[in-house]
Amino acid sequence: NAGVTQTPKFRILKIGQSMTLQCTQDMNHNYMYWYRQDPGMGLKLIYYSVGAGITDKGEVPNGYNVSRSTTEDFPLRLELAAPSQTSVYFCASSALGEQFFGPGTRLTVL
Amino acid sequence: DQQVKQNSPSLSVQEGRISILNCDYTNSMFDYFLWYKKYPAEGPTFLISISSIKDKNEDGRFTVFLNKSAKHLSLHIVPSQPGDSAVYFCAASNTGNQFYFGTGTSLTVIP
Repeated sequence: NAGVTQTPKFRILKIGQSMTLQCTQDMNHNYMYWYRQDPGMGLKLIYYSVGAGITDKGEVPNGYNVSRSTTEDFPLRLELAAPSQTSVYFCASSALGEQFFGPGTRLTVL
Repeated sequence: DQQVKQNSPSLSVQEGRISILNCDYTNSMFDYFLWYKKYPAEGPTFLISISSIKDKNEDGRFTVFLNKSAKHLSLHIVPSQPGDSAVYFCAASNTGNQFYFGTGTSLTVIP
């Protein structure tokens, strides 16, 4: 039981490039989330999903897209990367209540 | 607009003493509160939670207190241990779907 896994762990992007952050959970949780954490700040919700085929915006969705075709996977897409998207990204899942987090992806946009 | 606030960025406590971490919130509709612990280079891990119908929840060395009238919650760790040194985040929810996190308090337990 791996829990929540995220790939890659680190990535450097150039301005204007795009990439997909992968997130997979093996706990059969309906709820999945993407957060970003900037230095000295808390976690900000980017997008979340309450089940396969259903996604919704969080606090800071601009510049990101998500899809949820299966219960297990919840990829986060960055189109036209900008320096403001430099952050640590965490994926999480939950049944209801406490969330289980992945180890994070550290993204730098130069 | 920060709906959940942790006004102390850091806290140092001697081993064996009590650690008290505080959290304030502004949205009176929040009905579920959680504390997470985070080590460097790892994702947050769940510590303890409390529903708005309670004012206290205890789990071993960890106790969370909720004061709804003051929109304040606190996490007590007794006795504090060096392994408790980490960043602690409080979080709140009003729908069960979206969670709002504070900015974190870095706890250092001095041996």
